[in-house]
Amino acid sequence: GQQLNQSPQSMFIQEGEDVSMNCTSSSIFNTWLWYKQEPGEGPVLLIALYKAGELTSNGRLTAQFGITRKDSFLNISASIPSDVGIYFCAGLGDSNYQLIWGAGTKLIIKP
Amino acid sequence: GAGVSQSPRYKVAKRGQDVALRCDPISGHVSLFWYQQALGQGPEFLTYFQNEAQLDKSGLPSDRFFAERPEGSVSTLKIQRTQQEDSAVYLCASSPDSDEQYFGPGTRLTVT
Repeated sequence: GQQLNQSPQSMFIQEGEDVSMNCTSSSIFNTWLWYKQEPGEGPVLLIALYKAGELTSNGRLTAQFGITRKDSFLNISASIPSDVGIYFCAGLGDSNYQLIWGAGTKLIIKP
Repeated sequence: GAGVSQSPRYKVAKRGQDVALRCDPISGHVSLFWYQQALGQGPEFLTYFQNEAQLDKSGLPSDRFFAERPEGSVSTLKIQRTQQEDSAVYLCASSPDSDEQYFGPGTRLTVT
C-alpha cells in the first residue's frame, strides 16, 4: 500500500528561525495537504496543493508539490511561539478520498 | 460559518459498554469521514460517507464499530462492547468534495 515518510520527527528551534519539513512517498499523489494539530484539537488545514510543481503560501508558511508527485515540503519562516504543534502531511493518491498521512513533525520552540 | 463540531469531547466508558459519538459537519458538505487517532500518531481512516451513503467502511477495526449518517448531515459512530484497545481520539472531518477535509476537535474515548 501507499506509505508516507515525514521528516524530521521533531524539531527544536529558536524563535525567529526558519523551519523546513518534508514528506516523501513511494508512489504518486494527486493532492498534498498540510495540517497542524495542537494538543486536544483536531488537525487544522494549512495548505492544499493540487498540481506538480505548485508553490503555495499562507502567511509565513510555504509549501510545494514536488515535480515527481512523490514529495512535498513545508517551510515556516521566522517562527513564533504559536507555531508550536505537530505538523502532518497527507496525500491523496489512487483513492480520491482516503488520505494517506505522515507520522507528523513535532515543532518545539526553545525559549 | 461554524466548523465541524463533535460531542462529547471526552467520554469515559467501562469495558463492555456501548458508546455513541456524534459529528455535526459543516453545513452543505457532501463528504464526511471518521478517523481514529492514537497518541503520537497520525489519523487512521475508519469510514467515508457521501451524503447518506456509506461508500467505504474498510477502516472500521471490527464489527463492533458502526457508523451512520441517515439524513446526509449529522453522523454517529457507535462502538459496541467497548474494549481497552478502543481508547483513542475519534476525529470527524467533512469536505465539500473529498480533497480538502476539515476536522472537528475530536472525542477522546477512554475505556477503563
